[in-house]
Amino acid sequence: KNEVEQSPQNLTAQEGEFITINCSYSVGISALHWLQQHPGGGIVSLFMLSSGKKKHGRLIATINIQEKHSSLHITASHPRDSAVYICAVRWNTDKLIFGTGTRLQVFP
Amino acid sequence: EAGVAQSPRYKIIEKRQSVAFWCNPISGHATLYWYQQILGQGPKLLIQFQNNGVVDDSQLPKDRFSAERLKGVDSTLKIQPAKLEDSAVYLCASSKQGFNYGYTFGSGTRLTVV
Repeated sequence: KNEVEQSPQNLTAQEGEFITINCSYSVGISALHWLQQHPGGGIVSLFMLSSGKKKHGRLIATINIQEKHSSLHITASHPRDSAVYICAVRWNTDKLIFGTGTRLQVFP
Repeated sequence: EAGVAQSPRYKIIEKRQSVAFWCNPISGHATLYWYQQILGQGPKLLIQFQNNGVVDDSQLPKDRFSAERLKGVDSTLKIQPAKLEDSAVYLCASSKQGFNYGYTFGSGTRLTVV
């Protein structure tokens, strides 16, 4: 069983839709990261969370430590949001454990 | 602040050839990571450096992969000889030491072994 589970694996949306991507993990963590990866391969760090909620533009990330669950929301989605979104967790080490990612496609 | 620099951006080699990737982390970031990401999968840690010392190389195929971080700054990752299954994106990331700091990733090197 993967230590970090994401759902859905693939997601298709129309421009303007509200999008939610979920991440569950199996043990207590020190931090959770949401990352964005475009087709070229480079990864951009969107959020690092250890509790509560963070917002940046149209992106919102929440985490529930008790339930070991995090969500990434995109409001008013746009085709440029099309990418792979990866959840990664950090336990009491500097090492990140990655989920397999959610591939999002937003159509005009 | 400048990002994590990686080169080359793309590389195509034949199997059994050797290849090297270079990474320049963000200034002041003590921790440097090399990840391998095979198409359709999440990144897998190959090696983690703390300054110029190795913290974790448990998933590095040491019969063919090697990495070094001289002077605790730049790092190189080498594959010799390459196999078809080494085709992947190789990502370098850096962070400050400690749990409260985020990661910064480079753009990656896409390796194709033919």
